Amino acid sequence: GAVVSQHPSRVICKSGTSVKIECRSLDFQATTMFWYRQFPKQSLMLMATSNEGSKATYEQGVEKDKFLINHASLTLSTLTVTSAHPEDSSFYICSAKGGLAVNQETQYFGPGTRLLVL
Amino acid sequence: QQQVKQSPQSLIVQKGGISIINCAYENTAFDYFPWYQQFPGKGPALLIAIRPDVSEKKEGRFTISFNKSAKQFSLHIMDSQPGDSATYFCAASKRQAGTALIFGKGTTLSVSS
Repeated sequence: GAVVSQHPSRVICKSGTSVKIECRSLDFQATTMFWYRQFPKQSLMLMATSNEGSKATYEQGVEKDKFLINHASLTLSTLTVTSAHPEDSSFYICSAKGGLAVNQETQYFGPGTRLLVL
Repeated sequence: QQQVKQSPQSLIVQKGGISIINCAYENTAFDYFPWYQQFPGKGPALLIAIRPDVSEKKEGRFTISFNKSAKQFSLHIMDSQPGDSATYFCAASKRQAGTALIFGKGTTLSVSS
């Protein structure tokens, strides 16, 4: 149980285009979803926290107009990287927390999405 | 206040040896301390977690030791195996709903056979 999926697993796009990444909690309803970014050989840096039906809370330094987060349901959150540039190339990882039938304090992570912007 | 400091950055251990990774936190409001294991190109997976009312927790070959007064906690991997070679992250958060994990910088463990 407590499986989180991400789609796509990897994406290559041209500079200036927008890319959407989906995060789904497959077997539980998550009250909160988080988006992290990880550069090679570095730690996970929290980008934003989102609750279903509410606006996401972005961490300091994260451009909310560039990284659009939509949390449409208790099982789906999307991250859209708008007007992507090469410096946005990274590993994006979502996680889900809370809800019934899972450990309330555990953050369950997805497998990540590798974004390469050319 | 929000930092979690992790050491060492990298660790090489012989097969069968004990791997020890240490973390320290600053925010006394944190009350949940997990360890995650991450393989290259994959998302992190929860290994083991502890709350501050317990000084030690063991699950198989993995043990967390927690020192509340020193604001430190550590991961011990007993009988380390080549399959344990991965990056390990300590983290901390509040258990309440809606709060995110703050991660340490990670430790790359290599277990030589």
